[in-house]
Amino acid sequence: DIQMTQSPSTLSASVGDRVTITCRASQTVSNWLAWFQQKPGKSPKLLIYKASGLESGVPSRFSGSGSGTDFTLTISSLQPDDSATYYCQQQSFYPWTFGQGTKVEIK
Amino acid sequence: QVQLQESGPGLVKPSQTLSLACTVSGGSFSRGDYYWTWIRQHPGKTLEWIGNIFYSGATYRNPSLKSRLTISLDASKGQFFMKLSSVTAADTAVYYCARDHRVNGTTHWGQGTLVTVSS
Repeated sequence: DIQMTQSPSTLSASVGDRVTITCRASQTVSNWLAWFQQKPGKSPKLLIYKASGLESGVPSRFSGSGSGTDFTLTISSLQPDDSATYYCQQQSFYPWTFGQGTKVEIK
Repeated sequence: QVQLQESGPGLVKPSQTLSLACTVSGGSFSRGDYYWTWIRQHPGKTLEWIGNIFYSGATYRNPSLKSRLTISLDASKGQFFMKLSSVTAADTAVYYCARDHRVNGTTHWGQGTLVTVSS
């Protein structure tokens, strides 16, 4: 299985800060990389598909980049509603696998 | 708007079979652009991809579960299913059904259902 490693595991930032989460794959996944946001007790929500595609309805402060093995999710100006856990997922090879998650807290 | 809803028992005894259904409403069940997916999340943990099924009936199953897992669908009822046999406490999790688009990925999720394996 392809291992997905996210960093950091948790981060604390202030409203308005630029936040970056990284995801590294154990082998190349091309650009078949998605990012999800999950709030407590809720289903995950797709933010980014194919590494950099912004899902419909997702605020433009979210962006994704990368290809191959290294990817980033950036929140350009952190908002209170962005407090959540974020997961990356590769959809290049079965079984599709997720990172361990990054918990974003608001200071 | 596509909606997915999981259903099934919330408590299953060890060694028994966990059976879940996902009812899809508001969208075409038979379009070739979509995969119908099961994902689970152990308490406080990350997400684990279980497997998916195409409208044709072809399935991909996580090798870690493959020997115990069956995924099927009934397009006429707008439902797809998973059965996981010989469950243990390690199968206790929130189970999600979801719809994957072949380009956009996992765009629609059910609300999830907690299944506890306990005697």
